[in-house]
Amino acid sequence: GIQVEQSPPDLILQEGANSTLRCNFSDSVNNLQWFHQNPWGQLINLFYIPSGTKQNGRLSATTVATERYSLLYISSSQTTDSGVYFCAVGSGNTPLVFGKGTRLSVIA
Amino acid sequence: DTGVSQDPRHKITKRGQNVTFRCDPISEHNRLYWYRQTLGQGPEFLTYFQNEAQLEKSRLLSDRFSAERPKGSFSTLEIQRTEQGDSAMYLCASSLARGHLVQYEQYFGPGTRLTVT
Repeated sequence: GIQVEQSPPDLILQEGANSTLRCNFSDSVNNLQWFHQNPWGQLINLFYIPSGTKQNGRLSATTVATERYSLLYISSSQTTDSGVYFCAVGSGNTPLVFGKGTRLSVIA
Repeated sequence: DTGVSQDPRHKITKRGQNVTFRCDPISEHNRLYWYRQTLGQGPEFLTYFQNEAQLEKSRLLSDRFSAERPKGSFSTLEIQRTEQGDSAMYLCASSLARGHLVQYEQYFGPGTRLTVT
């Protein structure tokens, strides 16, 4: 099955700093989603981005499907950005496969 | 537009008891998925439905786990004879599906946190 690797596993940032989270996957996909899991466990949709580039406020994402990776950029980080960021991929009828996540801590 | 809802949000049960969780998807979504998440891991797929048909159930963790979606709307996940290892967050998600080639965005509910004592 599809393998998903996220890096780094942990990241500590000062408020206001920028960061890049990476997601590598092992096979072609037609679904790639980025999620933020809040402290209560809710998975919040950030991007549905099987290819291309999207931006939403301070967040942006790029997926290069031919090279099997995706990047999530967080600019001017805030303490409310803390949590775990998951990348998940899928294709056709295969289920979403999640990476192990990047745990982000933003300190004031 | 309401999102995916799950009930209950928390469940504490004794080992050996049966538990049932409910998921109500986004109303126009015809696909419904169940996942399990243990501490420090990403969600792990269990099963999914398209309308009332259960299209994949080989990932259910054992024959103690079963799921239904009788009218193609809400779904239930039942765990029989619970074990301490079943303690986890159980997540439900829904999406649209048109055909079998393209996978559309999945939206997750808040989860049911199960603790087996």
